Amino acid sequence: DAGVIQSPRHEVTEMGQEVTLRCKPISGHDYLFWYRQTMMRGLELLIYFNNNVPIDDSGMPEDRFSAKMPNASFSTLKIQPSEPRDSAVYFCASSLSAGRTGSPLHFGNGTRLTVT
Amino acid sequence: KNQVEQSPQSLIILEGKNCTLQCNYTVSPFSNLRWYKQDTGRGPVSLTIMTFSENTKSNGRYTATLDADTKQSSLHITASQLSDSASYICVLWMDSSYKLIFGSGTRLLVRP
Repeated sequence: DAGVIQSPRHEVTEMGQEVTLRCKPISGHDYLFWYRQTMMRGLELLIYFNNNVPIDDSGMPEDRFSAKMPNASFSTLKIQPSEPRDSAVYFCASSLSAGRTGSPLHFGNGTRLTVT
Repeated sequence: KNQVEQSPQSLIILEGKNCTLQCNYTVSPFSNLRWYKQDTGRGPVSLTIMTFSENTKSNGRYTATLDADTKQSSLHITASQLSDSASYICVLWMDSSYKLIFGSGTRLLVRP
């Protein structure tokens, strides 16, 4: 099992540019999560999907952020336009449940985004 | 106020020594409490998951305990190894909001 795969691992872009982060969850998992991690705020949930449907996007900072899951094996998180305060590590995670049953979340190794 | 607070923020120990990390929480009810290990530059990895009715759960040299009365959990690491150097994050699953609540983590450094 390859685990959750994220790309790119590092992204450096200029303010105002569009950024697209990609995630391939573990096959068979029905929940997919996008998190953002910073030193100041720790891990923050941005959005999660169940069976490819967005369930809770209340953590998405603003309209500049959007996420899609066109099929069970692929999701994207897009930032347009990007701003320096978006600099963080973005993690994708997948799970067999949202967490109530105790199934662990499996995290990818993240995308480190730097917006200059 | 943070709903999940961890202490200490950072810790340095010598290889072979034991250590205990603390997690105090204010949220309830919750279905399960988890401990994750996060190596530098990597995503968090699940170590233990305990339901609110469990008192202890082990995973090799890692033992997690839960005291629902005092709303405290601890992660005990036995005979530490250099590879234990990482951040350890306490996480609660909240039924009410259907979300995981993350602590800010404890950064552990094991020195030879």
